[in-house]
Order: sequence, then structure tokens, then C-alpha cells
Amino acid sequence: GAGVSQSPRYKVAKRGQDVALRCDPISGHVSLFWYQQALGQGPEFLTYFQNEAQLDKSGLPSDRFFAERPEGSVSTLKIQRTQQEDSAVYLCASHSFRDNEPQHFGDGTRLSIL
Amino acid sequence: DAKTTQPPSMDCAEGRAANLPCNHSTISGNEYVYWYRQIHSQGPQYIIHGLKNNETNEMASLIITEDRKSSTLILPHATLRDTAVYYCIVSRSGGYQKVTFGIGTKLQVIP
Repeated sequence: GAGVSQSPRYKVAKRGQDVALRCDPISGHVSLFWYQQALGQGPEFLTYFQNEAQLDKSGLPSDRFFAERPEGSVSTLKIQRTQQEDSAVYLCASHSFRDNEPQHFGDGTRLSIL
Repeated sequence: DAKTTQPPSMDCAEGRAANLPCNHSTISGNEYVYWYRQIHSQGPQYIIHGLKNNETNEMASLIITEDRKSSTLILPHATLRDTAVYYCIVSRSGGYQKVTFGIGTKLQVIP
């Protein structure tokens, strides 16, 4: 389809394991955002890419969180040494960078840390 | 980005208009009001946005007060499928839109 695609939709990992979450943005979209959404809360900003450049990573909660977008399209959010508090839905959004356009969101990856 | 305030929950009878309010008293002159909704297990879905004029599309209408400090999203004939969390956010248009979501309004459409 033409929307933002995220994989996997669900991920279960044991505490201490590393995980990688993938985002395929809408083709041609310059901007890419990662958000974390805890149960019952709104999405919270994690990081922002403009093409391959990570311009804002102020929302990443710790140095265990790492995001990349090496070719300016697909992005991966990696969480090392996962902890139970990392359990959340991780949302990706892309934006064309043009005026008068909204962000387009994927359906997220639900991460559960046991 | 400016912050927004929304009621945590609202009910609406099926077939009636749902009017969802949002306060954004610290909005800047170049910030737009965007509305998204999130149905369970899905990502936020864009509904509508506006700067200062009222806007209407196939999903909803957006009424922005003259001072731009508040707005109302109107779903003219609510259906059960409109049950969702509705988020009002303010952001610049285009470019780097770092946005802040609150907890939104949980709209329950009642049969």
C-alpha cells in the first residue's frame, strides 16, 4: 500500500534482549518521526530524521535507544538490553516536508518485554 | 509547540453531532491546529487542520475561534465507527513538525 508500514506488528522479548523495529515511510517523504506510546497515553516524541540526518533525538529516553535511517528512506529503531519499562507501542510517522500536509502514521509495533 | 487542553472523555448518541472542544491559548501565529484520531490498535489518523478559517472535509468540520485560542471538531453524524481517541495538536505547517500529543478525548458513540 501507499501508507507508512511498520514491522513487526507485535514483538515479545525477554528482558535484556536487543530488539529492532522497522519503519517504511511513504515513498519520497523527507521527514520521519518515531514516537513511543504507553498504555492510555498519547504518543510521545522520540526522534526526528530529515532524509538520512537525525536532527533531533531529544526524546530518546536513554542511550539504549538508537535510531538510524542510512539511505533516507527505511528507518530502524533499536533498543538494547531491553527493560520492562520499554514495553509500549512504537509509532513511526512520515511527512512530505511540504506546507499544508499532515504527518502520516503507521499502525505501530507493540513491544512487550517479559 | 503550544500545548492543548481537551476533556478526557465524551459521549455522543449515534446519528447526532459530536462536538469536541480544544483549548490552545498559547498558539503562535504560524501554528496550525491539527486533529487526529486513534482507533484501538491503529496509528493516529489525520482528520483535518486549519490556521484561522473554518475548514470542512468529508470527515469533519473544524471551527476555530477568532482569537485562535480554542477550536471545535465537529463530526456531523456520529457513527459507532467514530468511537476513538481524538487528539488536538498545534504545529507549524510543513518542515519539521515536532508535535506534542496530550491524552486526547476518548469519544464513545452510543447506539
